[in-house]
Amino acid sequence: DTGVSQDPRHKITKRGQNVTFRCDPISEHNRLYWYRQTLGQGPEFLTYFQNEAQLEKSRLLSDRFSAERPKGSFSTLEIQRTEQGDSAMYLCASSILQGSYEQYFGPGTRLTVT
Amino acid sequence: SQQGEEDPQALSIQEGENATMNCSYKTSINNLQWYRQNSGRGLVHLILIRSNEREKHSGRLRVTLDTSKKSSSLLITASRAADTASYFCATDAPETSGSRLTFGEGTQLTVNP
Repeated sequence: DTGVSQDPRHKITKRGQNVTFRCDPISEHNRLYWYRQTLGQGPEFLTYFQNEAQLEKSRLLSDRFSAERPKGSFSTLEIQRTEQGDSAMYLCASSILQGSYEQYFGPGTRLTVT
Repeated sequence: SQQGEEDPQALSIQEGENATMNCSYKTSINNLQWYRQNSGRGLVHLILIRSNEREKHSGRLRVTLDTSKKSSSLLITASRAADTASYFCATDAPETSGSRLTFGEGTQLTVNP
């Protein structure tokens, strides 16, 4: 399968714990995006990378959130000291740098904070 | 904050009927895209229309764009039960084109067999 993959698909954690999610984009895609989606809403942009550079971060991305893409391939999103309000689906997407604005989404990681 | 608003929020039709969903947005755009999301899954890109285009077709999909009204519509013809999903419009602004997409709240389409 050559689509975007995310791991894990589901994560249940207790409030205050740290969690880390991984995204593997389509191999030739330079851009990688993270979105958050709560029930009944559309996805909300969190951050994006062009190769290994993090070019934009949303104000939604508090200090407890950090994202990396160390070698311009896979990316990780870490949430420290999780809160119940962090419960959501975390979606990763990737796209080619030039010529196309279509974003290809992974299946998402559903986070439940208890 | 969400830029787009979809209308209706929910739509239920019979198989074979056409489904029309509308999207409005607030600021200037470079492109408008429509995505489909099956329950609990990721989003699938359906179609993209550029700001200088007025209509686009892809198979059973027809998208229109009216930049003067800041609105778009998605028409699915001859609907099938497999079309049951949530449909989202997404825009990117000229200054952030190729980066963030701003999604609407979606229309939940149910196609009854």
